[in-house]
Amino acid sequence: DTAVSQTPKYLVTQMGNDKSIKCEQNLGHDTMYWYKQDSKKFLKIMFSYNNKELIINETVPNRFSPKSPDKAHLNLHINSLELGDSAVYFCASSPGTANNEQFFGPGTRLTVL
Amino acid sequence: GNSVTQMEGPVTLSEEAFLTINCTYTATGYPSLFWYVQYPGEGLQLLLKATKADDKGSNKGFEATYRKETTSFHLEKGSVQVSDSAVYFCALKDGGGADGLTFGKGTHLIIQP
Repeated sequence: DTAVSQTPKYLVTQMGNDKSIKCEQNLGHDTMYWYKQDSKKFLKIMFSYNNKELIINETVPNRFSPKSPDKAHLNLHINSLELGDSAVYFCASSPGTANNEQFFGPGTRLTVL
Repeated sequence: GNSVTQMEGPVTLSEEAFLTINCTYTATGYPSLFWYVQYPGEGLQLLLKATKADDKGSNKGFEATYRKETTSFHLEKGSVQVSDSAVYFCALKDGGGADGLTFGKGTHLIIQP
């Protein structure tokens, strides 16, 4: 059984387009996250949600808009894609807001041409 | 702010060699510490964790001890295998909020037969 899943796995698109990445977790966790991994493998938190409410927005451009329709889903919509948005995006979840480990999805490799 | 520093890679070892990957951290509170592993083309998997000073995390032959006096969490394995080749990330989570993990830059480990 897949714990944290993301779709699509690969996404290739043109500059200026709008795209979405979906994330679902079947672990019953309350908290979900989006991370960006750049070409040098550096990972940085973008957003965190707890019980469908936005908790953290780490200076991400407002072209990025997360949406959490329910506790099990956290989708990422990106408007007006730019070349610098090319990266691997990881969704993660954790049981709560304590110092628990986070469970990561397989990642979505976004390439903006 | 919080930060994690880990040794730059790539680290290349022969099979059955002893492995150490250094990790030091800076945190304002009392963080939990983690090692994650990323195999090629995959997401991050939790390798081990420690939640308080002097705790030792261990898994699959890997160990790391939370050293508060030296603010370190070095990863060790007594005898590496080719299948251990991956990128290893040291990370911390500080406090009970829905903060994301703060990651080091990752260490690429290559094990040669």
